Amino acid sequence: SQTIHQWPATLVQPVGSPLSLECTVEGTSNPNLYWYRQAAGRGLQLLFYSVGIGQISSEVPQNLSASRPQDRQFILSSKKLLLSDSGFYLCASSGTFNEKLFFGSGTQLSVL
Amino acid sequence: AQSVTQLGSHVSVSEGALVLLRCNYSSSVPPYLFWYVQYPNQGLQLLLKYTSAATLVKGINGFEAEFKKSETSFHLTKPSAHMSDAAEYFCAVSGSSNTGKLIFGQGTTLQVKP
Repeated sequence: SQTIHQWPATLVQPVGSPLSLECTVEGTSNPNLYWYRQAAGRGLQLLFYSVGIGQISSEVPQNLSASRPQDRQFILSSKKLLLSDSGFYLCASSGTFNEKLFFGSGTQLSVL
Repeated sequence: AQSVTQLGSHVSVSEGALVLLRCNYSSSVPPYLFWYVQYPNQGLQLLLKYTSAATLVKGINGFEAEFKKSETSFHLTKPSAHMSDAAEYFCAVSGSSNTGKLIFGQGTTLQVKP
């Protein structure tokens, strides 16, 4: 099965600072990759998904961007963090359509 | 467009009691439906999945869910709650495009009292 490595586990950043969260996948090739954000009391919101290297789809307009430089690497970035970017960020991977998602352990981001 | 509504952000049951977590969906195409569980400070794990086969789906840890098209529901149940079931539970429906992306509900926190 797939294993999702996500780091760091926690991160505290000042407003206006840059962000880079990295996610790597083991145990599969050419996965679909996802970034979700879980804000308190708001469930999971899909931010980005990718079906291949260099292919990124954004689900909601925001201060964040994503990149997929390698098949099993997915990066979430921001040039200038906002307070509203605080939340729990989850990377996920799946094989083909409607296969289950494998989730990483998440990054708790606090923007102060 | 697809959406999921989970009724009740918090559910509290006694150990040994029935667990019922409610989920209603909206989908313009036959849906694929999922229940995930999240333990504190962890990612999500798949409990069970409905893919248009049997309407009663059995998952891990004694959980099951029944797909009812007429009610557009996919409620999660477990006959007898354990303390270890305390977690947050998410219902999800598959997206309409061929990307596998899921639309999640708001989540329900399950508390199990001794």
